[in-house]
Amino acid sequence: KAGVTQTPRYLIKTRGQQVTLSCSPISGHRSVSWYQQTPGQGLQFLFEYFSETQRNKGNFPGRFSGRQFSNSRSEMNVSTLELGDSALYLCASSLGLADNEQFFGPGTRLTVL
Amino acid sequence: QQQVKQSPQSLIVQKGGISIINCAYENTAFDYFPWYQQFPGKGPALLIAIRPDVSEKKEGRFTISFNKSAKQFSLHIMDSQPGDSATYFCAAKDGNNRKLIWGLGTSLAVNP
Repeated sequence: KAGVTQTPRYLIKTRGQQVTLSCSPISGHRSVSWYQQTPGQGLQFLFEYFSETQRNKGNFPGRFSGRQFSNSRSEMNVSTLELGDSALYLCASSLGLADNEQFFGPGTRLTVL
Repeated sequence: QQQVKQSPQSLIVQKGGISIINCAYENTAFDYFPWYQQFPGKGPALLIAIRPDVSEKKEGRFTISFNKSAKQFSLHIMDSQPGDSATYFCAAKDGNNRKLIWGLGTSLAVNP
């Protein structure tokens, strides 16, 4: 069974631009969560989607948004990029909302110049 | 304010030794405590997890010890191997909002 895939793996953008990251969960998994990982703050929860609906949200500004499609694939979007948005963005999938075990993708490394 | 405090930040252990990583928390609503292992260029992978009604859980060389009254839990890696060299994260899930709160990680190096 294929794992969680994330595209692209690396991305370089400039301040003010916007970016869209994609995540394909493990087949059969319906819940997708997104995390931002930085050396200083560690992993911080962005949001969680299940059945195409955002079910949970972290403490990030509205510039960070996401969506989930009917096939459970998810995208996250960051608008008006800031230097501080440079991070590894991780996607994790699980069978459902009640499942504790999350399976992570390799992440997308975003660099904002 | 870090809700899950992890220590040490880095750890060097000799092959065959015991690696011990500690985490502390304050929120009594936490009801699930996983440990994740992350290698460079990879996402975190679940290593072992425990619920607060259990004081210890062992899987192979990995053991979680949980002290509910002290609000502390730790990961012990027995017979540490160079292949265990990675970053380890503790986390805690808030039973009220299902958010997973992470420690800042421990970089473990096991010398051959």
